[in-house]
Amino acid sequence: NAGVTQTPKFQVLKTGQSMTLQCAQDMNHEYMSWYRQDPGMGLRLIHYSVGAGITDQGEVPNGYNVSRSTTEDFPLRLLSAAPSQTSVYFCASSAIMNTEAFFGQGTRLTVV
Amino acid sequence: KQEVTQIPAALSVPEGENLVLNCSFTDSAIYNLQWFRQDPGKGLTSLLLIQSSQREQTSGRLNASLDKSSGRSTLYIAASQPGDSATYLCAVTNYGGATNKLIFGTGTLLAVQP
Repeated sequence: NAGVTQTPKFQVLKTGQSMTLQCAQDMNHEYMSWYRQDPGMGLRLIHYSVGAGITDQGEVPNGYNVSRSTTEDFPLRLLSAAPSQTSVYFCASSAIMNTEAFFGQGTRLTVV
Repeated sequence: KQEVTQIPAALSVPEGENLVLNCSFTDSAIYNLQWFRQDPGKGLTSLLLIQSSQREQTSGRLNASLDKSSGRSTLYIAASQPGDSATYLCAVTNYGGATNKLIFGTGTLLAVQP
């Protein structure tokens, strides 16, 4: 019963590097999303997807890119890492509207 | 713009006490409200989901209420235990649009002292 799996758990990047945060769910959920969590700011929505092939921007999308080629996977790409992207990133999924959300364990990213 | 506020930011209680955590939101046009628990260094675990048409939900020692008209929700924890120590987050989903976008409060850090 894996639920939502995020990899890696920890990552250190240099400014300007790119990387992909992986997210996979095995519950056949249509809806998937990425949040970042910063002290004093709470969780903020970066990008979301309502199904394979459909993505849209959330509250803080700049510097991030997503795609959804399958129902199971929703990777988050950092195009050119900046220190302001140092944060903890969470992936979440849910079945349809008005159902509980399931979260991954998070990726702690540090950009130096 | 929907804003979610949680007060207090931190709370410390002795074991066995009943306690209430508060969540308020500025726009009453919501689909639902969820309460989550987050342990240090971990992800979020959903505790209770209240639909906009409901007044409360219960799970074990937890009871969550929702008053949409006043923009408030409370999470009641009965007979608190040290294992309840965690950060508790509430989040709402706004009415309108076919998405499950969550808008979070900044959480209440709960410490239950043995």
